[in-house]
Amino acid sequence: KAGVTQTPRYLIKTRGQQVTLSCSPISGHRSVSWYQQTPGQGLQFLFEYFSETQRNKGNFPGRFSGRQFSNSRSEMNVSTLELGDSALYLCASSTGTGLNTEAFFGQGTRLTVV
Amino acid sequence: AQSVTQLGSHVSVSEGALVLLRCNYSSSVPPYLFWYVQYPNQGLQLLLKYTSAATLVKGINGFEAEFKKSETSFHLTKPSAHMSDAAEYFCAVGRRTGNQFYFGTGTSLTVIP
Repeated sequence: KAGVTQTPRYLIKTRGQQVTLSCSPISGHRSVSWYQQTPGQGLQFLFEYFSETQRNKGNFPGRFSGRQFSNSRSEMNVSTLELGDSALYLCASSTGTGLNTEAFFGQGTRLTVV
Repeated sequence: AQSVTQLGSHVSVSEGALVLLRCNYSSSVPPYLFWYVQYPNQGLQLLLKYTSAATLVKGINGFEAEFKKSETSFHLTKPSAHMSDAAEYFCAVGRRTGNQFYFGTGTSLTVIP
């Protein structure tokens, strides 16, 4: 079956702009979470959505937001981009129910802010 | 609060040698521990997970990890390194359900031919 698909794979934006990243989970998965990966901070949890509701949120400013649609696809938005937002953004999906369900990660979107 | 610490940001081993990547956890509740691998320009792939069923966990590609509560450790091992094992390895602690993880800083494994 198809894996987690993130689009676009690469993105270059200018400081102050906003950006929207997309994540299509594995069919049947209802949980989608987002992570930011940078060389300095490593992998940091942004938020998790389950059945269109935000279930958990990491410690990021309000410029970072997300949503999930009825088909479980998710988008994350970053407004007023800063140079420090340059990172690999990873999306993970899982069934979201049951004990320790395995999370499958997409290949990520590489965002560069100039 | 939950967290993991990976000792050694870079590890080099010869092909055929033992691979040992260290991870210590901190958790106020029984932990759910994971090891993920990341190849260049790729997402993360689950190697194995500890869910309290057995202390020795076997994963994919010949990797295994042993949960030691007394040492708060969950080290990853492989008896014989292969060139294809060269990658970044992340230890993580997770919640009981869902996919919110707290990752370690990662260990880059180099395999020398």
